[in-house]
Order: sequence, then structure tokens, then C-alpha cells
Amino acid sequence: AQKITQTQPGMFVQEKEAVTLDCTYDTSDQSYGLFWYKQPSSGEMIFLIYQGSYDEQNATEGRYSLNFQKARKSANLVISASQLGDSAMYFCAMRDWTGNQFYFGTGTSLTVIP
Amino acid sequence: DAGVTQSPTHLIKTRGQQVTLRCSPKSGHDTVSWYQQALGQGPQFIFQYYEEEERQRGNFPDRFSGHQFPNYSSELNVNALLLGDSALYLCASSLFKTSGQTGELFFGEGSRLTVL
Repeated sequence: AQKITQTQPGMFVQEKEAVTLDCTYDTSDQSYGLFWYKQPSSGEMIFLIYQGSYDEQNATEGRYSLNFQKARKSANLVISASQLGDSAMYFCAMRDWTGNQFYFGTGTSLTVIP
Repeated sequence: DAGVTQSPTHLIKTRGQQVTLRCSPKSGHDTVSWYQQALGQGPQFIFQYYEEEERQRGNFPDRFSGHQFPNYSSELNVNALLLGDSALYLCASSLFKTSGQTGELFFGEGSRLTVL
């Protein structure tokens, strides 16, 4: 069974500082994808970054980077130079080998302090 | 470029009633997935539609059914509503790849259902 665990219900970060949001996953699949989504209060889930299970390099997208440690089954999101607009819920998700279903964690609420 | 649009945005129903939620996928996308997000939880997969057929289903009862139309839009129907069905229902679209792997999901803002 696939499972995503996010152990940080809430995080605070000072504006312009970096923050790491933790994510661990459990799967027996060899092929899978890892995603991070941002959910502001509007409800829409916004795609941030993707890492494939066979990718050897950590993914980066602008201020977002994914710290992928396959042996530890972790896929932490690093946000550099935090901005006030980064305040939102952040969800880690895994796409299984069928490619049809995404499994989401319970999310981390990030608050950026001016 | 229109993103994923969902309707209605909010609705209130009573137990035992039926509800239909609608979704138009992002332009160019052909696959629609539905997710249920209870308060304080992450989204849970209900089912996915491609080529007007249900390709995969999550752990939801038969009260949850869906449909995809030739223009790729989709409906989610829930019968015999229970209090526990109160949630944000998210529609996500993607582009089916020949590899069989679904690409990244693009989500709408959701339909918030309250069952009284």
C-alpha cells in the first residue's frame, strides 16, 4: 500500500529565510512519481515540483527544490527566500506505478512572518 | 488558456439527497480525476476517467459515480448523501501519455459540499 507522511502540521518561517517541509513515503513500487502541491485558502491545488523515482538529480523549480533521498524514502520540499505569498497548505503526493492515482499526505500549514 | 473549472463552488444538501458536480478540464487535457478532501485532510482519490470510461477507482462506495463526455468534461454524482460526504470535491485534469503514466495534475478550485 502507498502512504505519504507529513509530520509537520504547522511551520513558521521568517520572510526571506529558507524553510524545509518534510515528506516521507512508503511504497513497494519501483516506478513512482513524487509531487508537491500548494493549496491557498481558495482551495485550488497548485503544482510546484516533480521528482521521478529514477531521477538521479534533485528537482528544482525556481525557489523550490526537492531533496530526494530514495534510500530513506524521503522527498522534502525546500523553499528558499520565503515570501508572504508562500503562506498556504503544502501537500506531498505520490503517483503510483499505474500512473492513475495520486496519494496525498495530510499537509503542512506554512506561515511566513514579515 | 482556461484552467480547470468546477461548478457549483458551494452547495448545501440534506441527508439522503443526490448531488451532481461538474468539471471542465484544462484546454488540451483528456483525463479527469476526482478527489475528495475532508476538512484537515489531504485529497483522496475517487476515480479517474479517460476516453469516457472509468479507468481506476479508489476506495469509495458505489454511491459515488461519474461520467465523462466526448468533450472531456466530467460529472461526479453522489447518491444517498451522508453527513460524512461533506467535503471539498476537487476535479483534476491531466494529459494521458502513451507511457500510461498520468502527467502532473491540474486542479480546479473545488466544489464545497455541506450535507446537513
